[in-house]
Amino acid sequence: AQSVAQPEDQVNVAEGNPLTVKCTYSVSGNPYLFWYVQYPNRGLQFLLKYITGDNLVKGSYGFEAEFNKSQTSFHLKKPSALVSDSALYFCAVRGYGNNRLAFGKGNQVVVIP
Amino acid sequence: NAGVTQTPKFQVLKTGQSMTLQCAQDMNHEYMSWYRQDPGMGLRLIHYSVGAGITDQGEVPNGYNVSRSTTEDFPLRLLSAAPSQTSVYFCASSRRATGTAMNTEAFFGQGTRLTVV
Repeated sequence: AQSVAQPEDQVNVAEGNPLTVKCTYSVSGNPYLFWYVQYPNRGLQFLLKYITGDNLVKGSYGFEAEFNKSQTSFHLKKPSALVSDSALYFCAVRGYGNNRLAFGKGNQVVVIP
Repeated sequence: NAGVTQTPKFQVLKTGQSMTLQCAQDMNHEYMSWYRQDPGMGLRLIHYSVGAGITDQGEVPNGYNVSRSTTEDFPLRLLSAAPSQTSVYFCASSRRATGTAMNTEAFFGQGTRLTVV
């Protein structure tokens, strides 16, 4: 079975400060990892995905994610948060040979002006 | 290129009524899926399809039916609506994840907000 844990319900950060949203995963074999963002009353938008061999992956809107195999983590980061980054962020994983994506419960990010 | 289109955006049903949520994609994606989103529970997979004529159950299939007669369309049917089916429903599509395309990303529709009273 494949699963994702996002341990924090809400992340509050001051504008201009670094933002980190945590994600750990469980999957058999190689993981295929993704981050999505959801703005209010909208669908999920793809942010970035893990590329095998790249422990730091860059994505849209200045976001990046750090892959750590020993800690089975794929944390989302942004060096300097903007108020417009306030949204719901989802981590997702797919196991090898499986089309299905398993999502975490999501993290609400609130960037305080 | 419209991507994934869901209709309707909003719907109110009475308990016991049936309805179909429509989903269409224009990216020639083989894999399509339906999720429901509930507060604090993330997205849970209802049904999915790896191609026309092939469907399978996800985590929470009870009370829902699907069919896939074409590559483009993947409707979700509520057979007899219950208040527990009040949720936001998302349709997603992607290339089939296989071989070097295992990290292919999914594309989502804008969602259908369903209330069952």
